[in-house]
Amino acid sequence: RKEVEQDPGPFNVPEGATVAFNCTYSNSASQSFFWYRQDCRKEPKLLMSVYSSGNEDGRFTAQLNRASQYISLLIRDSKLSDSATYLCAAYSGAGSYQLTFGKGTKLSVIP
Amino acid sequence: NAGVTQTPKFRVLKTGQSMTLLCAQDMNHEYMYWYRQDPGMGLRLIHYSVGEGTTAKGEVPDGYNVSRLKKQNFLLGLESAAPSQTSVYFCASSYRGRAYEQYFGPGTRLTVT
Repeated sequence: RKEVEQDPGPFNVPEGATVAFNCTYSNSASQSFFWYRQDCRKEPKLLMSVYSSGNEDGRFTAQLNRASQYISLLIRDSKLSDSATYLCAAYSGAGSYQLTFGKGTKLSVIP
Repeated sequence: NAGVTQTPKFRVLKTGQSMTLLCAQDMNHEYMYWYRQDPGMGLRLIHYSVGEGTTAKGEVPDGYNVSRLKKQNFLLGLESAAPSQTSVYFCASSYRGRAYEQYFGPGTRLTVT
């Protein structure tokens, strides 16, 4: 079983819709979590961090549920430019050298 | 400030051939990584380095070797390419203690026939 799991999608949503992705993790030692965004045929880029109290950045909200070991990314008022693959990543904390990535969830925002 | 660069961008190899992928970063990052990305498999870590002269195995190291002779460069070698190594290879780097914030290069698309 992979440490970080995501629904691969694709999620096809109309412009203006709200969409949510979930990501589950199996390593309870993971301390913090991140969402990366990867455009088609491009490299991944850090989108936002997710801490215990959650995180909001404009139309994007990331939440962490430690009890159930999942994190979520909510995108409100979807734009065409939000179309991409969203990768969830888990970090074990200071002293760790690695991120563990999920396989990604593909989002297509349709006009 | 170029960030992370990778050469080449594309390459086609025949089975059994060898090649080296070069990654360079100009951000003075201590950590560097090589990943491969395949459809349905996500990003998988091949090897990583936490400093000049040190390397370590990741999740899928077999068939690859790496070297980090200079802090800014991280080389990935394929000694005898196999079709199973057809993939997109990404290099990434980060500051020490901030491995969660990785900066990726644009990728190398490798096809082994």
